[in-house]
Amino acid sequence: RKEVEQDPGPFNVPEGATVAFNCTYSNSASQSFFWYRQDCRKEPKLLMSVYSSGNEDGRFTAQLNRASQYISLLIRDSKLSDSATYLCVVNMGDKIIFGKGTRLHILP
Amino acid sequence: GAVVSQHPSWVICKSGTSVKIECRSLDFQATTMFWYRQFPKQSLMLMATSNEGSKATYEQGVEKDKFLINHASLTLSTLTVTSAHPEDSSFYICSASQGNTGELFFGEGSRLTVL
Repeated sequence: RKEVEQDPGPFNVPEGATVAFNCTYSNSASQSFFWYRQDCRKEPKLLMSVYSSGNEDGRFTAQLNRASQYISLLIRDSKLSDSATYLCVVNMGDKIIFGKGTRLHILP
Repeated sequence: GAVVSQHPSWVICKSGTSVKIECRSLDFQATTMFWYRQFPKQSLMLMATSNEGSKATYEQGVEKDKFLINHASLTLSTLTVTSAHPEDSSFYICSASQGNTGELFFGEGSRLTVL
C-alpha cells in the first residue's frame, strides 16, 4: 500500500456544485495532515490544516478519520478559481509525504 | 506567515555543468528542509530531507553523489545538481517546516532546463 494515496481525477464539476475527495494514508502513527493547492507550474500553497475534530474555512471543510486512515476535503459552491490540483500531505514524523494530487476542473 | 525564498527561479545550463539552488528561510530557523522534484504533469516527489549540521537523508532512487545537499546553517540549504543532463530538467522545490506543527512553507521553485 502506498504511503499516501489520492484519486488523480480529473474531477470535472460544474460551477456552484459541491465536490469532495479523499486521501488515504498507510502509517497509523502519522501526526498531522494538510491540504495544499497547486496551480499549474507554481509551488504548492497551504489550503488548510486538518484537525481531528474536523475544521471549516469558508467553503472548504476538511475532516480526518483516524480509524479508517483517511482525510477528506469538501468544497461547496465551487468557483472557477477553484480549478487546481489538490495535494494531500501527511506528516509521518520523520518525513512529510505528498499524495500525487487530485486535479479539479470547475466548468462554467 | 513564514517565508521561504528559493534562488534561482529558473536556470538554463549546458549538459555536464553543475547547478546550485539555494533555499533560505527568511524569518525563522529551519532545522529541517525538504527538497522535491516535479516533472511536468506529475506529482511532487521527495528527493531528500536536509538536516542542519548533518548529512541529508535521500529517498530511494535518488543519487546522493549527483544531488549534493548542504544544510550548513539554520536558514540555508543548497541543492547542487552535479554534471547535469537533459533528464535532470525539472522543477525543483524546497520547503521548510516551522516548529512542530508539520506545516510546510515552500520556496517559489527553481525550473532547471539542461540543454
